[in-house]
Amino acid sequence: AQRVTQPEKLLSVFKGAPVELKCNYSYSGSPELFWYVQYSRQRLQLLLRHISRESIKGFTADLNKGETSFHLKKPFAQEEDSAMYYCALSTGGFKTIFGAGTRLFVKA
Amino acid sequence: NAGVTQTPKFQVLKTGQSMTLQCAQDMNHEYMSWYRQDPGMGLRLIHYSVGAGITDQGEVPNGYNVSRSTTEDFPLRLLSAAPSQTSVYFCASATSGVAGELFFGEGSRLTVL
Repeated sequence: AQRVTQPEKLLSVFKGAPVELKCNYSYSGSPELFWYVQYSRQRLQLLLRHISRESIKGFTADLNKGETSFHLKKPFAQEEDSAMYYCALSTGGFKTIFGAGTRLFVKA
Repeated sequence: NAGVTQTPKFQVLKTGQSMTLQCAQDMNHEYMSWYRQDPGMGLRLIHYSVGAGITDQGEVPNGYNVSRSTTEDFPLRLLSAAPSQTSVYFCASATSGVAGELFFGEGSRLTVL
């Protein structure tokens, strides 16, 4: 069965500290992985996708097929990064499932 | 461009009542889906559609019906609401292609008493 696991419900870091939001997936095929973000009072929106291998707002994520992980990282957290982050897995045919989400709180 | 539009934004129902959550997109996206968002459980896929006339079940389809008569619209029907369906509902759409980005509506908060 396909599954996305985000083990941390809440992650609290100080401004300027590194941050890593963990995501593990379970899927027998070739996965398409994403990170979505929901800022306060805003729509859920795409942050980045693994296929693009891009850095958005200083965030990066590397797909590790051996560990079935897609952790989201940023070397220096900013207060504006405080939001809800969801890891998502697309299993083809556009069906996309999400993890439970991690709330990131960046303290001043 | 309005993107993905959901109505209503808020709704209170009594147990056993029926209602339809509306979702419309103006981006000519083939794919549309409905999720529910519950604390500690993230977004769970209810139903999805890969094109007009085609729908399929997601992770939590029980108690919900959908139809896709046009590319633009994908309504979600609750035939007999239950308190367990109290949630925030999100509609999303995507275009075809590899790793299509999901575009979300603003959400509809439903309370079933």
